[in-house]
Amino acid sequence: DSGVTQTPKHLITATGQRVTLRCSPRSGDLSVYWYQQSLDQGLQFLIQYYNGEERAKGNILERFSAQQFPDLHSELNLSSLELGDSALYFCASSVATGGFSTEAFFGQGTRLTVV
Amino acid sequence: GESVGLHLPTLSVQEGDNSIINCAYSNSASDYFIWYKQESGKGPQFIIDIRSNMDKRQGQRVTVLLNKTVKHLSLQIAATQPGDSAVYFCAEPYYGGSQGNLIFGKGTKLSVKP
Repeated sequence: DSGVTQTPKHLITATGQRVTLRCSPRSGDLSVYWYQQSLDQGLQFLIQYYNGEERAKGNILERFSAQQFPDLHSELNLSSLELGDSALYFCASSVATGGFSTEAFFGQGTRLTVV
Repeated sequence: GESVGLHLPTLSVQEGDNSIINCAYSNSASDYFIWYKQESGKGPQFIIDIRSNMDKRQGQRVTVLLNKTVKHLSLQIAATQPGDSAVYFCAEPYYGGSQGNLIFGKGTKLSVKP
């Protein structure tokens, strides 16, 4: 158990809908990272938050957004869903925002299926 | 093209044998690499990392080798066990040093035959 909790584990929704994925980082971790894992694109970094503020952006679509709350949990919002958004979404957390060997710990993921 | 990539998508080894998983990278300025293991139904898990000022780093049953001349790194697993069956990814940070903002390779699936 990495200590990172993601809910829900599975989510099935229709095209055009909006969903929210939730992540609780490890106790004491200030950074949260979101990743998408699909068969064709592999694991892709989406976005990072550090202590409530956006810190880095990767390959995140404009239809997707995220935030980190004062209690440090984070939510990833996916809207106007398309079939191609079906994927595993992982959250990871780390103590700091950078530095060599600042290990990031991954949650078990949310499997999103868009039908 | 992708910055970090893998030579082989699948690798099958006999239990007890050594495994070697390879990874190529394209950016000669890359200075930090990480190997992750992802078991079925789980998130990636850190195995070992290496900085570009090193050629080799050893962990428990794992060794990472870095050849900066040909921009290649490998993960060696000694005495492979069934529990090593997983997908292995090499990764490097988008931004120097951080393990969180990572560019992952495609992954190699390691299957261990009993």
